[in-house]
Amino acid sequence: DAGITQSPRHKVTETGTPVTLRCHQTENHRYMYWYRQDPGHGLRLIHYSYGVKDTDKGEVSDGYSVSRSKTEDFLLTLESATSSQTSVYFCAISESILSGGAYEQYFGPGTRLTVT
Amino acid sequence: QKEVEQDPGPLSVPEGAIVSLNCTYSNSAFQYFMWYRQYSRKGPELLMYTYSSGNKEDGRFTAQVDKSSKYISLFIRDSQPSDSATYLCAMIDYGQNFVFGPGTRLSVLP
Repeated sequence: DAGITQSPRHKVTETGTPVTLRCHQTENHRYMYWYRQDPGHGLRLIHYSYGVKDTDKGEVSDGYSVSRSKTEDFLLTLESATSSQTSVYFCAISESILSGGAYEQYFGPGTRLTVT
Repeated sequence: QKEVEQDPGPLSVPEGAIVSLNCTYSNSAFQYFMWYRQYSRKGPELLMYTYSSGNKEDGRFTAQVDKSSKYISLFIRDSQPSDSATYLCAMIDYGQNFVFGPGTRLSVLP
């Protein structure tokens, strides 16, 4: 998994509680991404980061926030979890196309989150 | 209309068959095209990527891009049971925006 770890790997939580998922990389890649994957929708981008403290919203960012205080760590927080946020969450990393880096993304193993 | 359309399958073929997987897209700004393979309960892994229209071959896999028709394909020759997985197409513009298709689930039967 290209030096990407996610924690926790599985989590069950109750509606209304805050949840934080962690992504850690050892590749020193500039870009980091959080996706959710749901049947029929494929991978949908939640937030991404293009450097330390530089983040931007993706397609499905409502109800989620992110932080990146170090190159290697990207945190995803569900501020008040809802059942609609039950999903598999994937972190990914990539380098910059414009800097001549690789354009492929490398994915972590995923976190299965269930909100009851 | 979604930016990237892909038949979700499932697609079942006998071992040794040629498999054709396809995606269509609507955004002409997409410049790079990729195919990912995802095994059950795993993260996607990159199979192939291509930039221009035309064909690119890697072993049993051939990626084909037709930018004029906004259509990309992945062909798998001599398919094996180990090829059973979900195949995701992905595209990116110069803005570092990756867009994925929903995936096609493939089963290769021994």
